[in-house]
Amino acid sequence: GENVEQHPSTLSVQEGDSAVIKCTYSDSASNYFPWYKQELGKRPQLIIDIRSNVGEKKDQRIAVTLNKTAKHFSLHITETQPEDSAVYFCAASTAGGSYIPTFGRGTSLIVHP
Amino acid sequence: EAQVTQNPRYLITVTGKKLTVTCSQNMNHEYMSWYRQDPGLGLRQIYYSMNVEVTDKGDVPEGYKVSRKEKRNFPLILESPSPNQTSLYFCASISRSTGTGIKDNEQFFGPGTRLTVL
Repeated sequence: GENVEQHPSTLSVQEGDSAVIKCTYSDSASNYFPWYKQELGKRPQLIIDIRSNVGEKKDQRIAVTLNKTAKHFSLHITETQPEDSAVYFCAASTAGGSYIPTFGRGTSLIVHP
Repeated sequence: EAQVTQNPRYLITVTGKKLTVTCSQNMNHEYMSWYRQDPGLGLRQIYYSMNVEVTDKGDVPEGYKVSRKEKRNFPLILESPSPNQTSLYFCASISRSTGTGIKDNEQFFGPGTRLTVL
């Protein structure tokens, strides 16, 4: 089955800096890569996703890149703000296949004011 | 409003006392799943279901049962809870493209159930 590795497990940055979280996956059939943000005490919520026919996608201060050859994808947050502090999860799944995603272990992002 | 609901939200129980956590979605999704979340271990899948009467084990199914008798409901059953099942549990459902603007593969999580087994 699919295996998703996520790094780092904890990331501490100063407000205004950029943050990068990286994930690798093992199943070359995976073609959908979502990122979820989980604020303290709340449910994970989708913040951005990318499909295998796209190399990069941006939404305001967040962007995701995908390298299918190397089987890795990354989340980039620019101009970080204290409200970006949360746990971020990457995932991989196969649209048209099982649809059930495999998650990374999460990255706790702390943005210091 | 499109949503996934879980009940109860909080539960403290004792070892061996059977319990059920309910999960319901109103989006007509075929795919549903249960996760447990523990510090440092992320979201681990317990069971999933790809349709009514179709369920399958995830990564950590021991000690849990599920059923999918109706499309909207996917209850999680702990027949004999033990302290190592103390955790935060999330139910989720997954959309499939309907051609009406619904994003294919987007997963919607319930609010979570915090379970403590003494």
